[in-house]
Amino acid sequence: GDQVEQSPSALSLHEGTGSALRCNFTTTMRAVQWFRKNSRGSLINLFYLASGTKENGRLKSAFDSKERYSTLHIRDAQLEDSGTYFCAVTSGGNYKPTFGKGTSLVVHP
Amino acid sequence: EAGVTQSPRYAVLQEGQAVSFWCDPISGHDTLYWYQQPRDQGPQLLVYFRDEAVIDNSQLPSDRFSAVRPKGTNSTLKIQSAKQGDTATYLCASSPPGQNYEQYFGPGTRLTVL
Repeated sequence: GDQVEQSPSALSLHEGTGSALRCNFTTTMRAVQWFRKNSRGSLINLFYLASGTKENGRLKSAFDSKERYSTLHIRDAQLEDSGTYFCAVTSGGNYKPTFGKGTSLVVHP
Repeated sequence: EAGVTQSPRYAVLQEGQAVSFWCDPISGHDTLYWYQQPRDQGPQLLVYFRDEAVIDNSQLPSDRFSAVRPKGTNSTLKIQSAKQGDTATYLCASSPPGQNYEQYFGPGTRLTVL
């Protein structure tokens, strides 16, 4: 099976609400990175974590290497948060990166 | 500081034609990655370099794809004889030296093979 699984695959939120996106992996990973793909197709860096948690505005991410998952929490969702969110993990001595298939988020008024 | 730059931004080919993509990473970044991203899918790693050395090219279709980074700075990805299944966005990313492998992506090249 896939080394990295993202859930849910699609998510719909009303403005002002929040939710969590999840990234599960099958082996121990060295680090995780979260991106949002914007309307122009560019990958925007959100977080890079080798451990613990980070917060930036309405976004917060956690990485638990031992339990093999990472989460991205969005609170007070805004219309401009719509897009596809990807996690990428790095493994092995050469830090080889692997992406998940993404979570498509739509924020409604 | 300039980000990762890629060219061209778009390419349209007939099957069997060749195409090259060019990437200029962030200055000082020693690791450079090439990804293929089919529409509505996650990026799939093709090859990555540390300086001029290939670290992993196990997902690069070696019969038609090649990638080089001769001086450890800019890189070129070439498709020798394009197929319709190669239609995708080709992304380049770079990471700084040391233990931080945070990737920074360029805008990509959108390839359509007719």
